[in-house]
Amino acid sequence: DGGITQSPKYLFRKEGQNVTLSCEQNLNHDAMYWYRQDPGQGLRLIYYSQIVNDFQKGDIAEGYSVSREKKESFPLTVTSAQKNPTAFYLCASSKTRIPDTQYFGPGTRLTVL
Amino acid sequence: AQSVAQPEDQVNVAEGNPLTVKCTYSVSGNPYLFWYVQYPNRGLQFLLKYITGDNLVKGSYGFEAEFNKSQTSFHLKKPSALVSDSALYFCAVGGLTGGGNKLTFGTGTQLKVEL
Repeated sequence: DGGITQSPKYLFRKEGQNVTLSCEQNLNHDAMYWYRQDPGQGLRLIYYSQIVNDFQKGDIAEGYSVSREKKESFPLTVTSAQKNPTAFYLCASSKTRIPDTQYFGPGTRLTVL
Repeated sequence: AQSVAQPEDQVNVAEGNPLTVKCTYSVSGNPYLFWYVQYPNRGLQFLLKYITGDNLVKGSYGFEAEFNKSQTSFHLKKPSALVSDSALYFCAVGGLTGGGNKLTFGTGTQLKVEL
C-alpha cells in the first residue's frame, strides 16, 4: 500500500514541552511539506523540503523545526517557542520540484493543555 | 507572490442541481492550478489539476473545472450534486517563479448539498 502516514492521529502537549510529529511516505517522492490548518484560514506552509538534507522555511516557520535525513521521512517538531500550537497539522509529498500534485497524509491534531 | 481567493465561505445547493465553487488566482507566469476536497478530520484528497492544454479539466467523482485565463479563474463544477459531495473544497495555485513546488491554498469553501 503506497501513501503517506502521519502519527500520532491525536497529540496532547503541556505548555513548555516540545513535541515531534511523524510523517513517512513510500511514494518515492522527492519533495515533502508541512502545513498547519486553522478554521477559516486554509492551509499555511510551515516548512518544505525538495531534497534530502535540505529544507526551507515556509510562511509560518517560527516555533517549528524539521529535519530531512531520509527521503521517506520528514518529522516536524513543535517547540515551546510556538505560542499557539493547537491546530491540525498536515504533511504532504510530491514527485517533482516543479508545481505538481501534492498528496496528503491523514493529519495530526495537536492540542495544548 | 502567488495568491488564491475563494470568495464564498459556504455554498448551499440542492441534490441533483448543478454546483459551482469559485476560485480566482494571481501568479507570475503560467499557472498550475489544483482542486482538493477535505472531509472532516481527514487529509486533503486531490480532485483535478490544470497545467496546460484544454481549458476544461475533468477529475474525480464527476467534478470538472474550467480554466479562464482572461478572468484568472478556475471554478469547480459538477452537473448534478450529491449529498455525499458535502465537504470542504480548496483551490491551490503554483508557479515556476513561486519557489519550486510551493502551492498557495485558498481559505476553503464549505459545500453543503441538501436533499
